[in-house]
Amino acid sequence: AQTVTQSQPEMSVQEAETVTLSCTYDTSESDYYLFWYKQPPSRQMILVIRQEAYKQQNATENRFSVNFQKAAKSFSLKISDSQLGDAAMYFCAYAKTYKYIFGTGTRLKVLA
Amino acid sequence: NAGVTQTPKFQVLKTGQSMTLQCAQDMNHEYMSWYRQDPGMGLRLIHYSVGAGITDQGEVPNGYNVSRSTTEDFPLRLLSAAPSQTSVYFCASRPLGAAQGREKLFFGSGTQLSVL
Repeated sequence: AQTVTQSQPEMSVQEAETVTLSCTYDTSESDYYLFWYKQPPSRQMILVIRQEAYKQQNATENRFSVNFQKAAKSFSLKISDSQLGDAAMYFCAYAKTYKYIFGTGTRLKVLA
Repeated sequence: NAGVTQTPKFQVLKTGQSMTLQCAQDMNHEYMSWYRQDPGMGLRLIHYSVGAGITDQGEVPNGYNVSRSTTEDFPLRLLSAAPSQTSVYFCASRPLGAAQGREKLFFGSGTQLSVL
C-alpha cells in the first residue's frame, strides 16, 4: 500500500527567509501525482503546488517550488521569501486514479 | 459558484445516535469523497464515488455509509456514533478528467463532529 511520510511535525522560519518541508512516499507505481496542500487556521484546504511523476522538471508556483526526486521517492516543498500568511499546516499528498493518500502534516510557524 | 458545501459546520452527538453529514457541489464533478482529519493522522479517505450509483471504500470505511443518487450530493451517514468518530470531516470533489488523479481536489469547509 502507498504511504506518505512527513517527518517534521513542526518547522519555524524567519519572515523573508527560505524553508524546506520534507515529504517521502512509497509506491510501486510509475505514474502518479503529488500535491502540497496548505491548511490555515480557517481549516480551508488550499492547493499550493502539483507535480506529475512523469515530468522530470520540478514544479514552481511563484515563491513555492518542489524538489522532486522520483528514484528516492522524495517530494520536498521550498518556500522562498516566507511571509506571515504562509503560517499554516502543510500536507503532502499522493494521488493515483481515485485514491489520495495524505501525510500527517507539518505545522509551519513564521516569525516576524 | 458555491463550490463544495458541507452542513452542518459543527455537531455534537451522543454515543449511539445517528446522523448524516451533507455534502453538495455545483461544479458537475463526477468524483466526490469523504475524509476525516484527526490530530497527528492527517486526512484519511473514508469513502468515494465516481458517479451516481457508484461508491467504493477508502482507507477507514468502518462505521460509515454513503450513497450517491445524484451528481451533486454525497451524504455521509453515521448509523451509531462512537467517541472514536470524533473528528473533522471534509468532503472533496473533482472532475474525473482524462488523467485520473491529476486534478486537484476541491474541498468543503469541514464539519467538526464531537461524539460524547
